[in-house]
Amino acid sequence: GAGVSQSPSNKVTEKGKDVELRCDPISGHTALYWYRQSLGQGLEFLIYFQGNSAPDKSGLPSDRFSAERTGGSVSTLTIQRTQQEDSAVYLCASSLGSSGKQETQYFGPGTRLLVL
Amino acid sequence: AQSVSQHNHHVILSEAASLELGCNYSYGGTVNLFWYVQYPGQHLQLLLKYFSGDPLVKGIKGFEAEFIKSKFSFNLRKPSVQWSDTAEYFCAVNGAGNNRKLIWGLGTSLAVNP
Repeated sequence: GAGVSQSPSNKVTEKGKDVELRCDPISGHTALYWYRQSLGQGLEFLIYFQGNSAPDKSGLPSDRFSAERTGGSVSTLTIQRTQQEDSAVYLCASSLGSSGKQETQYFGPGTRLLVL
Repeated sequence: AQSVSQHNHHVILSEAASLELGCNYSYGGTVNLFWYVQYPGQHLQLLLKYFSGDPLVKGIKGFEAEFIKSKFSFNLRKPSVQWSDTAEYFCAVNGAGNNRKLIWGLGTSLAVNP
């Protein structure tokens, strides 16, 4: 079946603008994750959704970052008033569940964000 | 603090050489361990994983990793690398309890010369 998809694949924006990044998880996967991959800094957890539970937002770097997941499927990561340090590849992953072997996370191709 | 350390940032090998990439973690409690690979121009793919049981796990493309609990290590190995193994390799860990977020190493860039 189809994997995790993300859009857009690339986004160039000006400092101060808002951006929205979209993630379509694998059908049937109840858990969805957002990570950020910055140059020289590795992957950094941002936020995690599991079913109808309250999301784990512990990785969001500032209140300019927010995410929602509608209908338990598609998720949107929003960055308000973008800054140059927000430039990175934003990765979305999904997993079948959150226990045992269901925990394996499958990644999308990412959205490469460049803030000028 | 939770962390993952990958000792080698850049590795260059010739084809047929043996590979071992180091990974050590700092994490309280029971862990799940993963190796992901990112081939040039492609997205992250799972190479192998350890949840429980046999500490020697085998993954795709002839890769294997051994979980040594006493050393907090999960080193990746392959007896004979190929040019097509050129990629970025990431070690990651999460908790087997309620904390699902992956903690990542910085990655190891492997270049295999034909």
